[in-house]
Amino acid sequence: EVQLVESGGGVVQPGRSLRLSCTTSGFNFGDNAMSWVRQAPGKGLEWVGFIKSKLYGGTPEYAASVKGRFTISRDDSKSIVYLQMNSLEAEDTAVYYCTRDDWFFDYWGQGTLVTVSS
Amino acid sequence: SYVLIQPPSVSVASGQTATITCGGDNIGTKSVHWYQQRPGQAPVLVVYKNRDRPSGIPERFSGSNSGSTATLTISRVEDGDEADYYCQLWDRNTDHRVFGGGTKLTVL
Repeated sequence: EVQLVESGGGVVQPGRSLRLSCTTSGFNFGDNAMSWVRQAPGKGLEWVGFIKSKLYGGTPEYAASVKGRFTISRDDSKSIVYLQMNSLEAEDTAVYYCTRDDWFFDYWGQGTLVTVSS
Repeated sequence: SYVLIQPPSVSVASGQTATITCGGDNIGTKSVHWYQQRPGQAPVLVVYKNRDRPSGIPERFSGSNSGSTATLTISRVEDGDEADYYCQLWDRNTDHRVFGGGTKLTVL
């Protein structure tokens, strides 16, 4: 059974940093790209960024709204993908989901809530 | 960047057919995917690559894509289909993934 479990969410002050983790199991993690998708309260889904598999270079790509502030990385030995979020803003308040990325998102975690507030 | 346009809301009577559209520039040449999100839950993939269904998704869910509009069709709508639906595609120009704004389906 495929499982994705996000962790690391919480309340953080504007300008501070937070790192989310997504621990996966049930599939060959190293063969897959992984994406982060977020959803602000009462709003739609927003793609945050993704990281390619090592086979395709292992490089990340980001949405314009987070580029330069967020960093996605992966540890294939642990089947974990990370989202490092710096210089957080109130507009980053959202539920953050990690997903398996095959140009579409077939498996999702349950999400972790990040609240940016003073 | 590529933009996907969905109607904010669609209403349909139980047992009837719901049609949810997703518009974009020359979208018929792209591969479109659809997600269902019930309140308080993570999204679920219901159609991928325009018309394919993941295992476990009822045949009542179908997709099509032509010209400037992709469409998700839900036949014999049930109360449990009431949810938000999102279209999504890969923008090959930027390598970004793009979501539509979402459509709230209300079952009357």
